Amino acid sequence: DGGITQSPKYLFRKEGQNVTLSCEQNLNHDAMYWYRQDPGQGLRLIYYSQIVNDFQKGDIAEGYSVSREKKESFPLTVTSAQKNPTAFYLCASSIRADRVSYNEQFFGPGTRLTVL
Amino acid sequence: QKEVEQNSGPLSVPEGAIASLNCTYSDRGSQSFFWYRQYSGKSPELIMSIYSNGDKEDGRFTAQLNKASQYVSLLIRDSQPSDSATYLCAVPGYSSASKIIFGSGTRLSIRP
Repeated sequence: DGGITQSPKYLFRKEGQNVTLSCEQNLNHDAMYWYRQDPGQGLRLIYYSQIVNDFQKGDIAEGYSVSREKKESFPLTVTSAQKNPTAFYLCASSIRADRVSYNEQFFGPGTRLTVL
Repeated sequence: QKEVEQNSGPLSVPEGAIASLNCTYSDRGSQSFFWYRQYSGKSPELIMSIYSNGDKEDGRFTAQLNKASQYVSLLIRDSQPSDSATYLCAVPGYSSASKIIFGSGTRLSIRP
């Protein structure tokens, strides 16, 4: 059963704590992405990775960090430096990032993070 | 000008009618265009991809692309209550196909 999984579904964090969001895919996709969505807003790109051991900052990378040690995994850490982390976090993957018709992105179910 | 623009709605359409959703984009070099459907509280689901000028049909959905005018639209025929959702237009940039820019979405409501 191929797909993208994210965990946990809901996450509560106290101010000043770092938290890590999990994203796993078994689609054999090269590229993976992290987006943030705020209520009534579109998706904003945090980080993306086109290949293992390589990743690039998106439009709102400050206060976040990622790693890509395995093809199927792309965890996102929300650090205490992120000033307003409460949001819906979405992970996506695509076959490849750099070629038209291979860059369709498919999304996981998302993690809703709330800072208390 | 935003890179990808959509009317935020809400767009209210009677059941059984055609819903028409529009999107304009700024990067003339963009080569692929996507429509996603997002139900409230859920993640986006890819429903249409289009790469060439003209129409592409898939069931009740038709995507229309006009590169000269830089717009892409989505038509939903025989609208059903289950079509009520937010529809996101997404366009990769020509300079970086890996970075897809998402519009803020159009909220569609199908009224019985």
